[in-house]
Amino acid sequence: DSGVTQTPKHLITATGQRVTLRCSPRSGDLSVYWYQQSLDQGLQFLIQYYNGEERAKGNILERFSAQQFPDLHSELNLSSLELGDSALYFCASSPRTRGDTQYFGPGTRLTVL
Amino acid sequence: SQQGEEDPQALSIQEGENATMNCSYKTSINNLQWYRQNSGRGLVHLILIRSNEREKHSGRLRVTLDTSKKSSSLLITASRAADTASYFCATDADYGQNFVFGPGTRLSVLP
Repeated sequence: DSGVTQTPKHLITATGQRVTLRCSPRSGDLSVYWYQQSLDQGLQFLIQYYNGEERAKGNILERFSAQQFPDLHSELNLSSLELGDSALYFCASSPRTRGDTQYFGPGTRLTVL
Repeated sequence: SQQGEEDPQALSIQEGENATMNCSYKTSINNLQWYRQNSGRGLVHLILIRSNEREKHSGRLRVTLDTSKKSSSLLITASRAADTASYFCATDADYGQNFVFGPGTRLSVLP
């Protein structure tokens, strides 16, 4: 158990809908990272927050957004969902930022029908 | 293209044998990390090696880093069926892009 929690574990929804994925980092970790893992794209970095502020952006679509709250938990919002958004979404946390070991949550499996 | 790329894409060995996976990357790095992922589950950190280190050990794992060749290798000795998983290298470049994961090596250890 990494200490990172993600909810929900599974999510099934329809195209065009909007969903919110939630992540609680390990106690004391200030950075949260979001990743998308699909069969054809591998593990893709989406975005990083550090102590409430956006720190780095990767291959995140404009339909996706994220935020980190004062209690350091984070949410990833996915809107206007498409079939291709079906994937595993992982959250990871680390104590600080660049270069730290990242601790991964169990992931949320999103299925868009 | 990926910053880190593992080779081979898939590897199948017998229990007790050693498994070697390689990772190549393109830019200068601060550190390189190896992670393991069991099917459909979260990634588990295995080992971190910094750019000024050449070799590191952790239990049955041995990681080497050759910054001149921009490559790293992960050796798992005396493999077990429980080592069956995908293994990823991730690089922390010293500029620009954040952590970048390679596509992974899928290791199957047969009993």
